[in-house]
Amino acid sequence: DAGVIQSPRHEVTEMGQEVTLRCKPISGHNSLFWYRQTMMRGLELLIYFNNNVPIDDSGMPEDRFSAKMPNASFSTLKIQPSEPRDSAVYFCASTFDSGANVLTFGAGSRLTVL
Amino acid sequence: KQEVTQIPAALSVPEGENLVLNCSFTDSAIYNLQWFRQDPGKGLTSLLLIQSSQREQTSGRLNASLDKSSGRSTLYIAASQPGDSATYLCAVNGLGGAGSYQLTFGKGTKLSVIP
Repeated sequence: DAGVIQSPRHEVTEMGQEVTLRCKPISGHNSLFWYRQTMMRGLELLIYFNNNVPIDDSGMPEDRFSAKMPNASFSTLKIQPSEPRDSAVYFCASTFDSGANVLTFGAGSRLTVL
Repeated sequence: KQEVTQIPAALSVPEGENLVLNCSFTDSAIYNLQWFRQDPGKGLTSLLLIQSSQREQTSGRLNASLDKSSGRSTLYIAASQPGDSATYLCAVNGLGGAGSYQLTFGKGTKLSVIP
């Protein structure tokens, strides 16, 4: 398996633009997570899906952030409009079912908002 | 709210030395604890997962221990090598119920192994 695949790896955009980050989880995994990593705050959970259904989105900072999982093999995280404080590395991770299993991370999408 | 602390934030050791990384957490009601490794510009790689009923897990030169009652975990690295240089993160999974995942991360310890 190619692992968790994220795109783009790097994104530079201007304030106010829409940003869409994409994630393909490992085949057979049914739980998907979006994390954000910054120097100041470390890794923060934004949202997680189980069987394509959002289970916990309490970490989504505000209405500018939205996430979807239309099927088991694809998820998006959208920021509209983007702001400089959204600059961070966004990670997608997946696992199978319960919290007893290891979480596998993608390589991340580094977002810079100017 | 669960808080996870890792001390020190950075550690530099000569090659061949044995070392211990520390992780502490405030809420002992956990499901499991994971140690991850993160290389610069890369994602996280899971190293070891300890279930709440276990005391330790071993993989090669790595040994992780868990003392749930005191809210502590350690990651022991034997005979360190320059290739071990990375940031090591501890993550605690809370008791959110069946199928739930409440992973709280520490900010990591940046390890440098000097040849």
